[in-house]
Amino acid sequence: AQKITQTQPGMFVQEKEAVTLDCTYDTSDPSYGLFWYKQPSSGEMIFLIYQGSYDQQNATEGRYSLNFQKARKSANLVISASQLGDSAMYFCAMIGPGTASKLTFGTGTRLQVTL
Amino acid sequence: GAGVSQSPSNKVTEKGKDVELRCDPISGHTALYWYRQSLGQGLEFLIYFQGNSAPDKSGLPSDRFSAERTGGSVSTLTIQRTQQEDSAVYLCASSLRSSLYEQYFGPGTRLTVT
Repeated sequence: AQKITQTQPGMFVQEKEAVTLDCTYDTSDPSYGLFWYKQPSSGEMIFLIYQGSYDQQNATEGRYSLNFQKARKSANLVISASQLGDSAMYFCAMIGPGTASKLTFGTGTRLQVTL
Repeated sequence: GAGVSQSPSNKVTEKGKDVELRCDPISGHTALYWYRQSLGQGLEFLIYFQGNSAPDKSGLPSDRFSAERTGGSVSTLTIQRTQQEDSAVYLCASSLRSSLYEQYFGPGTRLTVT
């Protein structure tokens, strides 16, 4: 079975600073994908970034980067130059061939960006 | 192009009534998923459709829950004899294909059972 663990229920960061949101995972599948989603107060789930288990490089998408440490089974999200609009819930999720393609989500981290 | 759409956006129903929630995926996406998000919780997988294959119903919490997908496009999630614990946001997602592709989510339907 797959499992995602997000140990930070809430995080604060000052505007323009960088912040790291932690995510660890557990799976026995050698092939899997890791995702981060943002959920603002409006409720929609917004796809941010994806990392495949065989990707050699860490994924980056604009101000988002994924710090993928395969041996440690961690996939932390780094947001650089935080903006007030980054305040939201952030969910780490994974998918694998052994799970019939359904996403397994962590419990989320609420990020609050302050002035 | 249009994203995933869901209707209604909000639904209040009395305990014991049946409800139907609708999802219209992104055009061309063959995979469709239903998830449930209870207050303050992460998302819980319910059911998955891929093309013409038999759906994966492994996440449905009880036989009161069912879903169908007509013509490989629109999907309807039905909850019979609703209970208060069914109150949650029901999210639909679609992806280009199954497996290691990002899923795009709709805005969700907030269901409240009184």
